[in-house]
Amino acid sequence: GAVVSQHPSWVICKSGTSVKIECRSLDFQATTMFWYRQFPKQSLMLMATSNEGSKATYEQGVEKDKFLINHASLTLSTLTVTSAHPEDSSFYICSADSGSKNYNEQFFGPGTRLTVL
Amino acid sequence: SQKIEQNSEALNIQEGKTATLTCNYTNYSPAYLQWYRQDPGRGPVFLLLIRENEKEKRKERLKVTFDTTLKQSLFHITASQPADSATYLCALEDGNKLVFGAGTILRVKS
Repeated sequence: GAVVSQHPSWVICKSGTSVKIECRSLDFQATTMFWYRQFPKQSLMLMATSNEGSKATYEQGVEKDKFLINHASLTLSTLTVTSAHPEDSSFYICSADSGSKNYNEQFFGPGTRLTVL
Repeated sequence: SQKIEQNSEALNIQEGKTATLTCNYTNYSPAYLQWYRQDPGRGPVFLLLIRENEKEKRKERLKVTFDTTLKQSLFHITASQPADSATYLCALEDGNKLVFGAGTILRVKS
């Protein structure tokens, strides 16, 4: 199957700093990528839908100025957590849409563990 | 309100037995439903998709059923193995998005 990578796999930062997470589709092009957040023992919560060459669509309750998304190419989307605080500590997972016309087929990255001190 | 519910308690079974996991949903009308496996600290891995007009889908030791009247999907792993131990997530299609349940932890003991 298609491969999606994330970098870094984990990051620890101080409160108030910004952290950038990269999501790459390695062997296919993805017009659409998705960013999820997962707290311990909870479901993946969609944060935003990232479309190549256009602005991301954010889910209700997600601050677009805090979680900056850039989808500058068909293989790369980035999520920047600005002015991170301890409550932003979570597991961030991206996925890339395969472009299947029949259903919403997404390939998931391995996730990035963010810890804000 | 819309809900997706999976057993919050872990399912512990003996190796070789069949594991059955449940996914119930409320106030959704999904055209299809997906099941994923997630290991600790990893992203989800796609297992199976079943469409609303399909009653059952099989793949090797996996079987999924989908009852749109009951608004329920069952996920079965036959001849379970310790390597099947993981969290299993169901996900519903909701427009151009996937909505996930919280998952059920499966532990298979040898």
